[in-house]
Amino acid sequence: DAGITQSPRHKVTETGTPVTLRCHQTENHRYMYWYRQDPGHGLRLIHYSYGVKDTDKGEVSDGYSVSRSKTEDFLLTLESATSSQTSVYFCAISGGTGQGYTFGSGTRLTVV
Amino acid sequence: AQRVTQPEKLLSVFKGAPVELKCNYSYSGSPELFWYVQYSRQRLQLLLRHISRESIKGFTADLNKGETSFHLKKPFAQEEDSAMYYCALPRNTGANSKLTFGKGITLSVRP
Repeated sequence: DAGITQSPRHKVTETGTPVTLRCHQTENHRYMYWYRQDPGHGLRLIHYSYGVKDTDKGEVSDGYSVSRSKTEDFLLTLESATSSQTSVYFCAISGGTGQGYTFGSGTRLTVV
Repeated sequence: AQRVTQPEKLLSVFKGAPVELKCNYSYSGSPELFWYVQYSRQRLQLLLRHISRESIKGFTADLNKGETSFHLKKPFAQEEDSAMYYCALPRNTGANSKLTFGKGITLSVRP
């Protein structure tokens, strides 16, 4: 078990609806990240967190918000889903520089 | 700004052939570089990092500071190596190790 789980694994939603994706870790790592994976773009950082209630924007944060009220949970919210947010979303955790990331299994989100 | 470039999108080889997946970087200071692998519809997994100088599943990668490269190599490809491979490095030198990833390369190993 990688110590990190994402839910849901798949979701189809309609344009304009809010969507929340959940990332849960059991490793007690300080750092958590949300990335989106798109063909031709690789992985792009959406938001990240370096502790409870400490979050910051990544390179593609428009239209997304995050919250981290507990060490183990990092939530990603699409305020009003758009078709351009159709993607695979990965959560990752890290204990710090040099340790690399452990990734979740991903959430495949389709906005119709 | 720190940047990772994977110049090729796809590499197709026959089983048993050598493999070299290219990664070039721009970074001020001593970089910590990683290779991640993603098998079909699975999570990304850490393949290797240069500071540990490991060899995982027959893959190796040497940091070449002169050429600012961290190419991933394997002398004899196997069909199970078919996957997407990403090179990555930290965005900064602080404790918060946000990684920036290349766009990835698909390796296809044919029988």
